[in-house]
Amino acid sequence: GENVEQHPSTLSVQEGDSAVIKCTYSDSASNYFPWYKQELGKRPQLIIDIRSNVGEKKDQRIAVTLNKTAKHFSLHITETQPEDSAVYFCAASPGGTGKLIFGQGTTLQVKP
Amino acid sequence: SQTIHQWPATLVQPVGSPLSLECTVEGTSNPNLYWYRQAAGRGLQLLFYSVGIGQISSEVPQNLSASRPQDRQFILSSKKLLLSDSGFYLCAWRPQDLAFFGQGTRLTVV
Repeated sequence: GENVEQHPSTLSVQEGDSAVIKCTYSDSASNYFPWYKQELGKRPQLIIDIRSNVGEKKDQRIAVTLNKTAKHFSLHITETQPEDSAVYFCAASPGGTGKLIFGQGTTLQVKP
Repeated sequence: SQTIHQWPATLVQPVGSPLSLECTVEGTSNPNLYWYRQAAGRGLQLLFYSVGIGQISSEVPQNLSASRPQDRQFILSSKKLLLSDSGFYLCAWRPQDLAFFGQGTRLTVV
């Protein structure tokens, strides 16, 4: 079955710097890759997603890139702000299965 | 509009007691439904998912079971809780690709 590995587990950056979180997946049938942000004690919220027919997607300060050949995808946050501090999860969904498998999460701390 | 309800928000249960967590979705039909568990400081582990009434797929063998008695209702159960069952349980539904989560249930087994 699908396995998603996420790195790093913790990431600390200065306000205004960029942050990059990377994920790899194992199932070549995966065709949907969302990213979620979870604030302390809250439910995860979708921040951006990408489908396998697209290589890159951007939404203001957030971008996601996908390399299907290498089976990895990354989240890029530019001009980080303290309110970006949270746990970020990547996920992969093998087409036709209904499954959505998450990575282990990255705790991002943005220092003012 | 479509909403997901999960309850209770917090629960403290003794070891060996039963468990029943309920999740319901409004405003849609035949949704894909999921139960995830998040241990303290850990990732989201997929426990069960269901693509229709009576169709339950288990991802991890353990002390839990799931049932879907109605189209928009998904229940997580245990006959006898273990200390290791403590965690943050999240129900989710997917209308298509996107997944929306319930508020979560923080379960502490004592």
